Amino acid sequence: QITLKESGPTLVKPTQTLTLTCTFSGFSLSTSGVGVGWIRQPPGKALEWLALIYWNDDKRYSPSLKSRLTITKDTSKNQVVLTMTNMDPVDTATYYCALPLGSGYPPAFDYWGQGTLVTVSS
Amino acid sequence: SYELTQPPSVSVSPGQTARITCSGDALPKQYAYWYQQKPGQAPVLVIYKDSERPSGIPERFSGSSSGTTVTLTISGVQAEDEADYYCQSADSSDVVFGGGTKLTVL
Repeated sequence: QITLKESGPTLVKPTQTLTLTCTFSGFSLSTSGVGVGWIRQPPGKALEWLALIYWNDDKRYSPSLKSRLTITKDTSKNQVVLTMTNMDPVDTATYYCALPLGSGYPPAFDYWGQGTLVTVSS
Repeated sequence: SYELTQPPSVSVSPGQTARITCSGDALPKQYAYWYQQKPGQAPVLVIYKDSERPSGIPERFSGSSSGTTVTLTISGVQAEDEADYYCQSADSSDVVFGGGTKLTVL
């Protein structure tokens, strides 16, 4: 059974750095073709893709946020970590991690975590 | 940056057919996917590779592609299909979601 779960702070102050962890089970990030992505959704707004990391440590970032994002993996812990610097109130959103279906591109996100709401406020 | 354009809303009566479109310049070259999202829930993949249906998704959900537009069709709409629907695709470097379409079942 595949599961993903996001964890991290629910409240961050403007200019701080956000660190979110995706802990997963039921698959391995050391398996060829496997990747994990991050997607966010501001309240009442659309989904926005943030980043992807693959089994071979290939990393892809949203061009509009690339300068602020870092994605890493810890295969032994079954975790993927996303950091976002210089947080702003407009970054308030539910942050999801998700597992793509297969290894094709574009990725189709087949399994999703429950999401974690992060509020940016002083 | 690459954009996918969806209508903000679509309304349909139960039993009728709903069609939700998504337009983007790169769609002739890249697959499109569709997600259903109900309030307070994570998105669910309902169509992949333009027209493939994941296991467990009802047959009334189908997808098609023509040029720069892909379409999600829901035949025999049921009340439980009321939700937000998002298309997703990519260009060479950017994974993109559409703005979402709210499907209202009258």
